[in-house]
This record gives sequence, C-alpha cells and structure tokens, in this order.
Amino acid sequence: GQNIDQPTEMTATEGAIVQINCTYQTSGFNGLFWYQQHAGEAPTFLSYNVLDGLEEKGRFSSFLSRSKGYSYLLLKELQMKDSASYLCAVMDSNYQLIWGAGTKLIIKP
Amino acid sequence: DADVTQTPRNRITKTGKRIMLECSQTKGHDRMYWYRQDPGLGLRLIYYSFDVKDINKGEISDGYSVSRQAQAKFSLSLESAIPNQTALYFCATSDDRDTGELFFGEGSRLTVL
Repeated sequence: GQNIDQPTEMTATEGAIVQINCTYQTSGFNGLFWYQQHAGEAPTFLSYNVLDGLEEKGRFSSFLSRSKGYSYLLLKELQMKDSASYLCAVMDSNYQLIWGAGTKLIIKP
Repeated sequence: DADVTQTPRNRITKTGKRIMLECSQTKGHDRMYWYRQDPGLGLRLIYYSFDVKDINKGEISDGYSVSRQAQAKFSLSLESAIPNQTALYFCATSDDRDTGELFFGEGSRLTVL
C-alpha cells in the first residue's frame, strides 16, 4: 500500500530552527509537495521537489532523497505565525496525490 | 475576494438530508477537486474534474456525487447524509500541469447529526 509518515506534533522555540521529516512509500514518484495549513484555514503551497537535493525559499527549505523515500522541511528563524500544520504529499506514478496526516508545529516564545 | 470560494462555510444537518456544497473559482483553471479532511488523517480525494465534461472518482467517492456546471463551478452533493460524513470539505483547483500546485478554497465544515 501507499503510505506517508510524518510526526504528529512538534514544538519549537521562536527564533530557532526546526526540521519536519516525511517518509514515503508510494507506487512510483512524480514529486513531493509541502503545504502549510493554519488552524481552520485552507492549505497553502510551500514547495515542490522532484529531484534530489535542497530547495531554498526564504526562511523555508525543502530537501528530497528519492533513494531513501525521505524529505524534510526546514524552517529557520521561527516566528509565532509559523505555528501551523505542515502537510507532506507525494504524487505517485498515476499523478495522484497521497497525503500525510500532517505535522502540527507549536511555536513557543 | 478569494480566488476559490466555497459555500456554505458551515452547515449542520440531519441524517438522511440532501446537502450540496458549492465551489466557484476565478483562477481560470480547468482542473477542480473535492477533498475531505478528518482529524488524524491526510486529505482524501472524493472527486475530480479536468474540464467541464470530465468527472472522475477519487479515493472515497461512495455516498457523494458531483456536478461540473461550468469551468468555474464544481458542486459536491451528499444525497443522503450520514454522521460519518461529518468532516471539513475542501475544493481545490490547479492548472493543466500534472504536477501543478493546488489552490484551496476556505473549506466547508459539515456536521451530520
């Protein structure tokens, strides 16, 4: 079966760095997405990785290793507004998105 | 105004009632989707449409139906609502790239008593 695993909840301190991991087992691979979802709101797109390596976009970076079935989202200089759930989703060989349950990130002052 | 608009935003109904959730978009995208989100689970695809005459079942289509009335409108119906359809429903759109990002509506919270 297809499976996306990510931690249920993480806590970090304002100004610090946090890494949110995502591991996947899917039928084929056509890219991995990260979305941010604030409580009660819609998910919004953060990043897309299809090749191995690190993609940096401001305070957020996303890493992919296809051979290990692994990705992480790195958030630097954490701000209170980064408190949200972070959703990992993989596009399989049929271009269907398989979603993880999300990681709730709590930022403390 | 939001690019992807869902109505109603909140709805409480009773078992057996027919419910329609509506979605409209101004992004000019051909592809539209309906997802449901439950606590502790990933988003699950109910139906999707790649153009006005195209309707496809997703992972969990049983108990649901859809209508694509126009490029900009995609409606989700629950013909006879049941309590386990209580969830947060999202409409989303994307451009024609297979790997295009999704743009979500603000969500419709449905409670079936």
